[in-house]
Order: sequence, then structure tokens, then C-alpha cells
Amino acid sequence: AQKITQTQPGMFVQEKEAVTLDCTYDTSDPSYGLFWYKQPSSGEMIFLIYQGSYDQQNATEGRYSLNFQKARKSANLVISASQLGDSAMYFCAMREGWSSGSRLTFGEGTQLTVNP
Amino acid sequence: SAVISQKPSRDICQRGTSLTIQCQVDSQVTMMFWYRQQPGQSLTLIATANQGSEATYESGFVIDKFPISRPNLTFSTLTVSNMSPEDSSIYLCSVEVRTAGYGYTFGSGTRLTVV
Repeated sequence: AQKITQTQPGMFVQEKEAVTLDCTYDTSDPSYGLFWYKQPSSGEMIFLIYQGSYDQQNATEGRYSLNFQKARKSANLVISASQLGDSAMYFCAMREGWSSGSRLTFGEGTQLTVNP
Repeated sequence: SAVISQKPSRDICQRGTSLTIQCQVDSQVTMMFWYRQQPGQSLTLIATANQGSEATYESGFVIDKFPISRPNLTFSTLTVSNMSPEDSSIYLCSVEVRTAGYGYTFGSGTRLTVV
């Protein structure tokens, strides 16, 4: 079964508007972490935001916030005030467990296009 | 957080040849991860490299095809051997960071085209 599911292959948003990118996950481990990365066309992976399974509050980093709904196993990324430079591929990823060396499992990604 | 220098950034290689990709980290790290990203797809873990021991490969990846070296805590190489066009991908190394926050840092990637 897929551990990370991103159901939106592509999303479009107008500049200055907010957009939500969906991510659901599947794990039986009570200790896990959820990540969002941005990958521009250059190919580099840019870390955006992290949410731990025991964190009481939703993570925020500037224009990025994570809508963490633990019971629904969802971790949606909200980008506020979209900019043209936000156009990129966005990946949701999960780490299960807390031991050193735990790997990340990635979703299929969502291609975001910001229109002027 | 850690900074990773990955080389080369891109290469075009003839089928049947090999390419070695290098990742240098500016701090000591226990584990390094190597990923492959085929065109239009997500990242897939190739192997986990621990200093001083053999790398641990994921299902579908073998050491003869993707030999990995990890001579010290700041450096690792991945070789793509006997290349075919199906090996055309972006290859990325990554490390786990547990100081000043938490996350995984990635190298800038190697865009490989096999012709």
C-alpha cells in the first residue's frame, strides 16, 4: 500500500492567492515525521516545513503552513500569497520511527503552476 | 543545517560506461542516503550508506550496478555502472540533520543522460 499519497498531479493558482496541496499518509508507527519539499526545474530539493507526530500545533514557516489532521492522517501544505517563483513540483514525505538513519518515503508529487 | 556539495551537476554518458557521483558534506554525518528520480517520477531510495560498513540496498537495486563508497563521515560516492538509457535520471544524495531543527538536506542533484 502507498505510504504517502498525493492525489493532485497538477494544481493551478493565481498569483497572490492561497493554495492547498493535499497529502495523506499511512503508518502504524506512533512516532513519525512529515516533510514537504519543493523541487524547481533545476532539480534541487528544497526543504519547506516539518511536522512531528507528537507536535501539538501545526507547523508554520513564513508563507508555508501545514494543516496536520492526525486522525485523518493528512498533512496538507498551505501556501499563502502565491508568487510566480512558487511554480515547482512539491513532494510530501514521511519518516517512520525516530532511530538514526530512518529513510524518507516520498509521494508522487504535485506540479504547482502560479499564473500571473 | 548541513550543506552538501554534489558533483557532477549533470553529465551525458555513452551506454556501457560508468559514472561516479560524489557528495561532500560540511559536517560529520552517520548516514547518507542515495536516491534516484526517473523522469517525471518521485524519488526512490537506492541505498543507505553508513561509514565503515557495506551500504544497505533497497529492493530492486544491487551493489554490482550501484556500488557505493563511504570512506569517512563527510564523503560518499555512488557509481552507476554499465549504464543504459533506462539509467537516465536525477541522482540525489541526502543526509539527516538533527541539530538546530530537524530535517533532511539534499545535494543539488546529478542529472544523468545516457545515450
